[in-house]
Amino acid sequence: GAVVSQHPSWVICKSGTSVKIECRSLDFQATTMFWYRQFPKQSLMLMATSNEGSKATYEQGVEKDKFLINHASLTLSTLTVTSAHPEDSSFYICSGLPAGTRTGELFFGEGSRLTVL
Amino acid sequence: DAKTTQPTSMDCAEGRAANLPCNHSTISGNEYVYWYRQIHSQGPQYIIHGLKNNETNEMASLIITEDRKSSTLILPHATLRDTAVYYCIVREVGGYNKLIFGAGTRLAVHP
Repeated sequence: GAVVSQHPSWVICKSGTSVKIECRSLDFQATTMFWYRQFPKQSLMLMATSNEGSKATYEQGVEKDKFLINHASLTLSTLTVTSAHPEDSSFYICSGLPAGTRTGELFFGEGSRLTVL
Repeated sequence: DAKTTQPTSMDCAEGRAANLPCNHSTISGNEYVYWYRQIHSQGPQYIIHGLKNNETNEMASLIITEDRKSSTLILPHATLRDTAVYYCIVREVGGYNKLIFGAGTRLAVHP
């Protein structure tokens, strides 16, 4: 299957700082990428849909000014958690939808664990 | 909201078949059934998907009832590495349709 790489795998930051997480599709072009958040012992929650070259579409209840998403190329999307607080500590996972896919299969990254002190 | 219902947890002995059920009684004609799994602290992994015919690949088999209101994922010979949370998701193909995850089934494979 296709490969999606996230960086960093884990990050610890101080409260009030901003953290950027990168999501790269290594062997396919992703016109659409999705960002999820997962708290311990819970399922994945969709945060936003990111389309290359346009603004992201956020799910209800997700603050767009806090979670900045940029999808500047067909292989890279970034999520920036601005002014992070301890309640933002979570597992963030991205997925890419290959351009022109007929199966609609999404490929997921390995996730980035954020801990805000 | 997730459109599927799955048991919260299941157990399976190593080497035996694991049969994971999923109810999707409100599925529409253009929605596929997808199965993903998530091993602890990793990203979800695609397993299989189908529309109405049974499907098989190197990982699993997917059996969809004739009325499409339910399906079963079969891992023919479960191993300890198959211990994971398994998610059954219905979704349209095409456009930018997103995957909405439900609670899934936590499968524990034991020796």
